[in-house]
Amino acid sequence: EVQLVESGGGLVQPGGSLRLSCAASGFTVSSNYMSWVRQAPGKGLEWVSVVYSGGTPYYADSVKGRFTISRDNSKNTLYLQMNSLRAEDTAVYYCARDRAHGGLSDYWGQGTLVTVSS
Amino acid sequence: DIQMTQSPSTLSASVGDRVTITCRASQSISSWLAWYQQKPGKAPKLLIYKASSLESGVPSRFSGSGSGTEFTLTISSLQPDDFATYYCQQYNSYSGSSFGQGTKLEIK
Repeated sequence: EVQLVESGGGLVQPGGSLRLSCAASGFTVSSNYMSWVRQAPGKGLEWVSVVYSGGTPYYADSVKGRFTISRDNSKNTLYLQMNSLRAEDTAVYYCARDRAHGGLSDYWGQGTLVTVSS
Repeated sequence: DIQMTQSPSTLSASVGDRVTITCRASQSISSWLAWYQQKPGKAPKLLIYKASSLESGVPSRFSGSGSGTEFTLTISSLQPDDFATYYCQQYNSYSGSSFGQGTKLEIK
């Protein structure tokens, strides 16, 4: 059974850093396209980042230069390193397995809440 | 970047109604469009991919159509479990994706 479990969310001050983790089971992270999608409180879905099976990452303009997507193949885990956090980064962050280039997420985690506030 | 625009933002309907949600892309995305259903506090659920292909396990009352820049999601006969928020997503480009702003389907 495919399962994705996020962790690492919490309260952080503006300008701070946080690393989110997404532990996968039932499939191999390194063989799949993996994405991060976020949702600000009461708002819609926003695509954040993707990493392809070959390792190439892409980012939304809103996080480029501040966020880094990576994976640990030995732990079958996806990460999102978030630096220089801003209030507008406050959201529930979901990791997802993508079936196709650029999106089409067929399995999602339960989400982890990141709150950026002083 | 490709912008996705959904309409309406909110839709009030009754059980048994046929409803249609529209999604427009700012440029052609061929058929690289997905639809998701999201309920409060839950992750999105994939309903439709490649504009009109029904995801496994999704009831046949859901259908999708369109290509290029205009797409629709139709629910043929609303059931109580269908009241939720629906999002379209384009996945035309390797360099990233984008979602519509969502359509909240409410009970009339």
